[in-house]
Amino acid sequence: DIQMTQSPSSVSSSVGDRVTITCRASQDIRSWLAWYQQKPGKAPKLLIYAASSLQSGVPSRFSGSGSGTDFTLTITSLQPEDFATYYCQQAKSLPLTFGGGTKVEIK
Amino acid sequence: QVQLQESGPGLVKPSQTLSLTCTVSGGSISSGTYYWNWIRQPAGRGLEWIGRIYTSGNTDYNASLKSRVTMSLDTSKNQCSLKLSSATAADTAMYFCARAVGSGYDFRFDPWGQGTLVTVSS
Repeated sequence: DIQMTQSPSSVSSSVGDRVTITCRASQDIRSWLAWYQQKPGKAPKLLIYAASSLQSGVPSRFSGSGSGTDFTLTITSLQPEDFATYYCQQAKSLPLTFGGGTKVEIK
Repeated sequence: QVQLQESGPGLVKPSQTLSLTCTVSGGSISSGTYYWNWIRQPAGRGLEWIGRIYTSGNTDYNASLKSRVTMSLDTSKNQCSLKLSSATAADTAMYFCARAVGSGYDFRFDPWGQGTLVTVSS
């Protein structure tokens, strides 16, 4: 199985801050990576796919980058509605696997 | 737009079979080239992919659960279903269904159902 490791596991930030979340795959997954946002009691919501493609309707302050084994999700100018947990997910091979999540908390 | 809604018993006894249904609205479950997936999340923990069923009926399951999982489609009801046999407390989780789109780098889960909580307890 491909292991997905996210860091940090949590981050405290303020509104307006720039936040960067890292996801590392245990083997080369090229650009087969998606990012999701999950708020408490809700289903995950797709933000980014193919490592850097922004899902329709998602604000442009979200961006993704990387390929191979190292990927980044960046939120520029954090907004109140962005406080949530973020997950990466690889689609290179079965079983499909997710990172452990990064919780973005209010400082 | 396509919407998914999970349903099923919220409480299952140990050793029994956990059975859930995902009802699709706003589109046909058998149209297009989609995979219909089940994903679960224990309280306070991360996401685990259980498996998927293609519109053709072909399935792929997570090897960690494969011996206990069965997925199927009911095109007449526009539903997909999940059965997980020999349930234990470790199967207690929120269960989500999600459509998977894309066939290459653009593969992703979208949309998701709201989830249904299943507790395995006597």
